Amino acid sequence: DVKVTQSSRYLVKRTGEKVFLECVQDMDHENMFWYRQDPGLGLRLIYFSYDVKMKEKGDIPEGYSVSREKKERFSLILESASTNQTSMYLCASSLPRQGVGEKLFFGSGTQLSVL
Amino acid sequence: GENVEQHPSTLSVQEGDSAVIKCTYSDSASNYFPWYKQELGKGPQLIIDIRSNVGEKKDQRIAVTLNKTAKHFSLHITETQPEDSAVYFCAAITSGTYKYIFGTGTRLKVLA
Repeated sequence: DVKVTQSSRYLVKRTGEKVFLECVQDMDHENMFWYRQDPGLGLRLIYFSYDVKMKEKGDIPEGYSVSREKKERFSLILESASTNQTSMYLCASSLPRQGVGEKLFFGSGTQLSVL
Repeated sequence: GENVEQHPSTLSVQEGDSAVIKCTYSDSASNYFPWYKQELGKGPQLIIDIRSNVGEKKDQRIAVTLNKTAKHFSLHITETQPEDSAVYFCAAITSGTYKYIFGTGTRLKVLA
């Protein structure tokens, strides 16, 4: 069965800490995504990557960075965590398929609380 | 910018009744419309999708309809069951982009 694994289900961090959220997929997918999920706001794209070492900003990249050194792993980095980054973070992957849309496979999410 | 409006935000139905969730998109170039179901403690999962060259698609108890002129698409669930209780998200994607525009979600409760 295909799988997207996020390293932590729950995380509690302090304001100002550097935070790493890790995501690994076992489907050999080229595309990987980081979304943020907040009540009433749906899913908002933070960053996506379409190849190793390639990345593009999504709708809300401020305060975040990403790293993709290997095809299967995509990391989200909060350089200096702030309370307004308390949220559910979802990682997803997909095959590239220009022009027709492609199914996203999501991980189970990481609920991050910044105190 | 592009957006997708989704209604209602919450929906309660009796077991066995039908449920309808509606979405409206703004980008007329959108051509792929998936629906995702998110159960408690899990990530969203694709349940059905429709492409812009099709008006309706069915898969057992779920169906999706698309009205390109009005830029509306809807999810229909018939004979609802308790296991249909979840949060449902619609999305719209434009050809040649990676960018999914998600709706704000609908929390469906099926009452036994």
